[in-house]
Amino acid sequence: NAGVTQTPKFQVLKTGQSMTLQCAQDMNHEYMSWYRQDPGMGLRLIHYSVGAGITDQGEVPNGYNVSRSTTEDFPLRLLSAAPSQTSVYFCASGQQGLWPQHFGDGTRLSIL
Amino acid sequence: TQLLEQSPQFLSIQEGENLTVYCNSSSVFSSLQWYRQEPGEGPVLLVTVVTGGEVKKLKRLTFQFGDARKDSSLHITAAQTGDTGLYLCAGFMIKAAGNKLTFGGGTRVLVKP
Repeated sequence: NAGVTQTPKFQVLKTGQSMTLQCAQDMNHEYMSWYRQDPGMGLRLIHYSVGAGITDQGEVPNGYNVSRSTTEDFPLRLLSAAPSQTSVYFCASGQQGLWPQHFGDGTRLSIL
Repeated sequence: TQLLEQSPQFLSIQEGENLTVYCNSSSVFSSLQWYRQEPGEGPVLLVTVVTGGEVKKLKRLTFQFGDARKDSSLHITAAQTGDTGLYLCAGFMIKAAGNKLTFGGGTRVLVKP
C-alpha cells in the first residue's frame, strides 16, 4: 500500500544546478499536483495535472517544469536552482476534481 | 495577505482541554478541506465539507462550514497528545478561468500531557 511515493527525501543543490523530483502513485488517480511549503505560508500549488498528457500551471510555476507521460508518474524539474526555491516539496494525488486527497512525505530541498 | 486566514497561528493546551481553530476568508468557496500534518510527513486529509452550514464529526473532532461558505472551524473535544500537529484548511473555488484550491497558513497545535 505505497500511496504517493516521493524521492529523494532530502537534497542539497548549488545555485544554477538542475534536478528532478520524482513522484509516483499506485492508486490510479487522475489528478496529481506539486506544492511547496514554506513557513507560515501553507502550501502553494506549483503545477498540476488532471490526467496523462495534460498539465497546467498553479500559483507559483516559475522556475519549474512538469510532464505527465503516464498516470502513475508526475516528475517536477527545477531548471536552474535558486536559493528562493529552498523549500519542502509535496506531491499529491486525488480521484476527482482537484482534490489532493493523498500527499507524499515530501522532499526537503536546500539551494546553496 | 492570504486568501484563507487561519487563527490562531499557534495553540498550546493541556491534555483534556477543548480547542477551536478557525479558517476565514472574504471569498466564497464551493467546498473546504481540513488536513493534519505531523513533522516530517505530508498532510493527511481529515474531512471535506461542501454544503453551507454543514457540520461533520470525526470522533472528537467537529468541523463546521459557515452558512455563507466563507469560513470554517475545527473543534477538538478533550484533546489528546496525539492531536498535536499542524492543522491546515484548504478552500476550493470553481472559476471560469480555472478551478483553484488555496491553503491557509496553518495552525500549529501542541497538546501537553
